[in-house]
Amino acid sequence: KAGVTQTPRYLIKTRGQQVTLSCSPISGHRSVSWYQQTPGQGLQFLFEYFSETQRNKGNFPGRFSGRQFSNSRSEMNVSTLELGDSALYLCASSPAGSWSNQPQHFGDGTRLSIL
Amino acid sequence: GESVGLHLPTLSVQEGDNSIINCAYSNSASDYFIWYKQESGKGPQFIIDIRSNMDKRQGQRVTVLLNKTVKHLSLQIAATQPGDSAVYFCAENSGAGSYQLTFGKGTKLSVIP
Repeated sequence: KAGVTQTPRYLIKTRGQQVTLSCSPISGHRSVSWYQQTPGQGLQFLFEYFSETQRNKGNFPGRFSGRQFSNSRSEMNVSTLELGDSALYLCASSPAGSWSNQPQHFGDGTRLSIL
Repeated sequence: GESVGLHLPTLSVQEGDNSIINCAYSNSASDYFIWYKQESGKGPQFIIDIRSNMDKRQGQRVTVLLNKTVKHLSLQIAATQPGDSAVYFCAENSGAGSYQLTFGKGTKLSVIP
């Protein structure tokens, strides 16, 4: 079974631009979450989607948004990029919610660098 | 300005010894806990999980202990191998059925051959 696939692996943008990152979950997984990982703040939760609905949102500004499609694939968008948005963005998927005792599995992330 | 990185605690162990990695969690309402291992250039890899109605769970070479009284988790790795060298994170879920993981700062495990 293929794992979580994130594209692109690396991305370089400049301040003020916007960016869209893509995540294909493990086949059959309906829950997709996004996390930001930086050296200063560690791993922080962005949002979680299940069946195209956002169920949880972390403490990030409105410039960070996401969506999930009917095939469970997900995208996240960051608008008006700032230098501090440079990070590894990780996507994780699981079959259902945490009540199912099935953990989230992570992709290898998209490394976003802002110049 | 210059960003300040997290100063990860480091645990160095001899190959073949047992390793114990500790984690304090913050939310007494968290009901699900997961340990992940992250190698350089890769995403976190699932190791073992435990629900709040348990206090111990064993996997292959790994054991997780949960002490809800003091909000403490530990990961025990038996017969540590060089391939175990990585950063280990504990994560707690407080999403009440959905996912909203809060991660610890991580511990870097270095295995001395």
